[in-house]
Amino acid sequence: DAMVIQNPRYQVTQFGKPVTLSCSQTLNHNVMYWYQQKSSQAPKLLFHYYDKDFNNEADTPDNFQSRRPNTSFCFLDIRSPGLGDAAMYLCATSREKYQETQYFGPGTRLLVL
Amino acid sequence: QKEVEQDPGPLSVPEGAIVSLNCTYSNSAFQYFMWYRQYSRKGPELLMYTYSSGNKEDGRFTAQVDKSSKYISLFIRDSQPSDSATYLCAMGSSNDYKLSFGAGTTVTVRA
Repeated sequence: DAMVIQNPRYQVTQFGKPVTLSCSQTLNHNVMYWYQQKSSQAPKLLFHYYDKDFNNEADTPDNFQSRRPNTSFCFLDIRSPGLGDAAMYLCATSREKYQETQYFGPGTRLLVL
Repeated sequence: QKEVEQDPGPLSVPEGAIVSLNCTYSNSAFQYFMWYRQYSRKGPELLMYTYSSGNKEDGRFTAQVDKSSKYISLFIRDSQPSDSATYLCAMGSSNDYKLSFGAGTTVTVRA
């Protein structure tokens, strides 16, 4: 089945220790998104790629970076995680940018000690 | 004021009841509307997609959109314990790549 896959499902890191989360998709969608979701809150868009074109949301901290080496894979790098970065990180894809459904992966739950 | 407001819940209903979930929004440019179901510690799963106003039915689920009132609803008939989850509304416009989400309503269906 075509899908969005995220690894790892759970990640524990130490305060200030860089961490990388990965997302892959078999849907061959052009757009990939990264969201941060905290408990009982709506997902918050961090950035997205349209093909190789990277778009950062204005309020995304500089601590967060992303890479998309090819159509199928996208990575979220958190350079120096703080306690406030503990959250669920969701990857999503859509075929095109506008008027399209977004399909989500299962998420990576990040814990910062 | 948030762009999308969703009834906060939580809702607890007996098995077999009808569940009614609602969102209101302020941006008249929104044209397409979605409902996602999110089980605990999992990613959101698309349930319903509706473009513009009207009703859409899929099995036990019915989505309604009233653009004149800026109001959308999701009804779950004959609710089952497996419907226990958080339901997120989301909406978008033709000229913006971003979706606007509600904060979610947590539903528990008691056996």
